[in-house]
Amino acid sequence: DTGVSQDPRHKITKRGQNVTFRCDPISEHNRLYWYRQTLGQGPEFLTYFQNEAQLEKSRLLSDRFSAERPKGSFSTLEIQRTEQGDSAMYLCASSSSVGTYEQYFGPGTRLTVT
Amino acid sequence: EDQVTQSPEALRLQEGESSSLNCSYTVSGLRGLFWYRQDPGKGPEFLFTLYSAGEEKEKERLKATLTKKESFLHITAPKPEDSATYLCAVQDPSRGSYIPTFGRGTSLIVHP
Repeated sequence: DTGVSQDPRHKITKRGQNVTFRCDPISEHNRLYWYRQTLGQGPEFLTYFQNEAQLEKSRLLSDRFSAERPKGSFSTLEIQRTEQGDSAMYLCASSSSVGTYEQYFGPGTRLTVT
Repeated sequence: EDQVTQSPEALRLQEGESSSLNCSYTVSGLRGLFWYRQDPGKGPEFLFTLYSAGEEKEKERLKATLTKKESFLHITAPKPEDSATYLCAVQDPSRGSYIPTFGRGTSLIVHP
């Protein structure tokens, strides 16, 4: 198993543009999570899926953010009409839904909005 | 009030100088507490899960312990390659989803 992968690793975009990130979880994990992390802060929860169902979204998540996991495997996170405040590291993690629920993270996608 | 507080924010050690990082939490009925290591520009790397007071886990130079109000990450005889940010996260039983809340981390620098 190669672990959680994310693509792209870096994205620079202009304010107002839409961006989409992809996450491929560990194959036997049915839970997938998206987090956002800014400098000096811990990861902040955005949303999570169990299989293809999106079960929880952060109340802080803007309507400009949407996530999908159409076949219960990979997931995409889209940000519409990006703002400078969206600049951050976007992290994806996966876990099993039994046992200890410990999450394994991908390398992240660094978004810079200019 | 933050549920998870880590201290110190930053720590500088000389190689071989042992120390401890602290993670205090306010949730009642803890389900699980996690420690992660994060290198600059990378995703967090899982280290330990602790569930009950008195529990201890070890990995190389790291040992994590848990009490009813806090956890410690002890680093014995650290090396420069132990330099990283160490994150603590707790599972809040008031959330049915087992999603952890993270602290801000402790940035550790070990000088040779």
